[in-house]
Amino acid sequence: SQTIHQWPATLVQPVGSPLSLECTVEGTSNPNLYWYRQAAGRGLQLLFYSVGIGQISSEVPQNLSASRPQDRQFILSSKKLLLSDSGFYLCAWSVGLYGYTFGSGTRLTVV
Amino acid sequence: GENVEQHPSTLSVQEGDSAVIKCTYSDSASNYFPWYKQELGKRPQLIIDIRSNVGEKKDQRIAVTLNKTAKHFSLHITETQPEDSAVYFCAASRGGTSYGKLTFGQGTILTVHP
Repeated sequence: SQTIHQWPATLVQPVGSPLSLECTVEGTSNPNLYWYRQAAGRGLQLLFYSVGIGQISSEVPQNLSASRPQDRQFILSSKKLLLSDSGFYLCAWSVGLYGYTFGSGTRLTVV
Repeated sequence: GENVEQHPSTLSVQEGDSAVIKCTYSDSASNYFPWYKQELGKRPQLIIDIRSNVGEKKDQRIAVTLNKTAKHFSLHITETQPEDSAVYFCAASRGGTSYGKLTFGQGTILTVHP
């Protein structure tokens, strides 16, 4: 069966520090991968999606970037965090249009 | 792009009552409409979905209806229980080059009082 792993679960980082969140999927090949952010427990905003290795599409301009170095690995990064980057970050995967599954999320607090 | 509006933002019901959450979407090409339930501090979980070739789908106490002409769809929960309390999100997507990108509504906080 397919599983999605996301870490860390919580993270407290100072303003201006770098960020790296990782997501991996097991049990499937060539998944579509997504990064979402959820602020204040409401509303999921799509940040990035990827349909293959090295292919990244950005949905909103921001202080973050994403990379997909391997088929089942998706990384969210920032060189310098802002206070406004705080939130609940969720990775998700799908094969085709359906079967959209979320990871357990990372709660990021920028202080 | 797609825009999904969800109402109400909060909903409070007594245990055993029914709850209805409604969503409207803007992109007439959307053809997939899932509903997610998110408990506090946890990931959203898919509870039911509907595709544009059907008007209604039911799974035990949960049902979803779709009106493509009016571009709206609704979640119906019957015989609500306290464990149904959570945030519910609707979403819409279309095939083709959208690769499963979902546009979410803003969520409904459902509280079921025992």
